[in-house]
Amino acid sequence: DAKTTQPNSMESNEEEPVHLPCNHSTISGTDYIHWYRQLPSQGPEYVIHGLTSNVNNRMASLAIAEDRKSSTLILHRATLRDAAVYYCILRDGNTGKLIFGQGTTLQVKP
Amino acid sequence: DTEVTQTPKHLVMGMTNKKSLKCEQHMGHRAMYWYKQKAKKPPELMFVYSYEKLSINESVPSRFSPECPNSSLLNLHLHALQPEDSALYLCASSRTALAGGYTFGSGTRLTVV
Repeated sequence: DAKTTQPNSMESNEEEPVHLPCNHSTISGTDYIHWYRQLPSQGPEYVIHGLTSNVNNRMASLAIAEDRKSSTLILHRATLRDAAVYYCILRDGNTGKLIFGQGTTLQVKP
Repeated sequence: DTEVTQTPKHLVMGMTNKKSLKCEQHMGHRAMYWYKQKAKKPPELMFVYSYEKLSINESVPSRFSPECPNSSLLNLHLHALQPEDSALYLCASSRTALAGGYTFGSGTRLTVV
C-alpha cells in the first residue's frame, strides 16, 4: 500500500488560507490522491480527490505537483469548523483500497 | 439521500455475547466497507464488499463476520469479542470499489466488557 507523509499538526488563523502538504514519493501511475477530514466524534468526511490535474470544489482546492510526488490541500478561508484531522490518502488504483495514514491535526485560532 | 446510516450508535457487549452492527445506504453505491478506529488512531480497513461479494478481508479475526444481504445493507456480526476489540466501527460506501469518494457513517461505538 502506497504511503503518504504529512505533518502531525498545523495551526491557522480564522479567515486565512491554509495549505496542508502531503508527500507521496512512491505513488504509482494509477493511484488517485484523496483527502478526507475527521471532526471529533464523527466519521471521516470526503473533501476532494484527483489524479493529475488540480481540482476545485466547494470545500477546497487540490494542487498536485507535476511529478505527482506531492500534493497540497488548500482551504481558502479557514473557519473554526474546519478544525479536524486531515488525511491525505493514495487510493490504490488496482484494488481501490483506501488506507489511512496518521493525518494532520489542524487547529484554527479565532 | 446522501448518507450512510449506522445502528446502533453505541453498543456494550459481554465477551460471550453475539451482536450485530448494521449499515445502510441508498445512494446506489455498489461498494461497501468496514473500518475499525481506536482512540487517537486512524481508521483501519477491515473488509471490502463489491457488488455484494466480499472482495477484501484484511486478515480480520473470525470473531468478526461480515454479511452483505443486498446492495443497500451491510452487517457486521460479532461473537466472542475481547476487550481490545472495543473501538469505533465505521461503515463506508463508494460508487464502485475503484471509483468515487467514500461516504462514511458516524460509526458505532463498541465497548466489550
